[in-house]
Amino acid sequence: TQLLEQSPQFLSIQEGENLTVYCNSSSVFSSLQWYRQEPGEGPVLLVTVVTGGEVKKLKRLTFQFGDARKDSSLHITAAQPGDTGLYLCAGAGFTGNQFYFGTGTSLTVIP
Amino acid sequence: DAGVIQSPRHEVTEMGQEVTLRCKPISGHNSLFWYRQTMMRGLELLIYFNNNVPIDDSGMPEDRFSAKMPNASFSTLKIQPSEPRDSAVYFCASSYGTGEYTDTQYFGPGTRLTVL
Repeated sequence: TQLLEQSPQFLSIQEGENLTVYCNSSSVFSSLQWYRQEPGEGPVLLVTVVTGGEVKKLKRLTFQFGDARKDSSLHITAAQPGDTGLYLCAGAGFTGNQFYFGTGTSLTVIP
Repeated sequence: DAGVIQSPRHEVTEMGQEVTLRCKPISGHNSLFWYRQTMMRGLELLIYFNNNVPIDDSGMPEDRFSAKMPNASFSTLKIQPSEPRDSAVYFCASSYGTGEYTDTQYFGPGTRLTVL
């Protein structure tokens, strides 16, 4: 069962464009993380958001946790080829130490 | 630190053979996770250990899969017998599990398994 749905599934854009990736669920999460995965490697954590409505910025990346803690978005400003990769959101339950990963968004930034 | 170490990086085997994947977590981490990633199903949690004890194995597909963590520095995921549908990339991850839900998981490079 996929608790977290990401959209779009695939995204191909030109360098310099802006984009937003969405992560949605009907479940409430205690926190939500975003990872980026490059080909042949494991996912690498980008950010953790904990509070409903929280916004975090990481250079050109802006992450927001929904007020109801059921959804999140990742906005990239002026995308660069180095942003290419698979973006995964992961939601944490309220007990234990588990994260449930989303379906993933594959981003390609064309120079 | 060398990070999470997985071996082998690639494994090609024939249907019916036993496959053993290995993982060495980051020293000092007390939680270890095994994931499977496929195009169709994405990244799925198979099992996780805390202080070498399996906490949740509800993601293990069936009895053909088993995982062990005999000590804090080593874990194995075994598939016996293997089937073509087991073909996937298997990731091991570790974290310093304080019980908080903000723990950071560090992933290994993965083992790409192909069952012919």
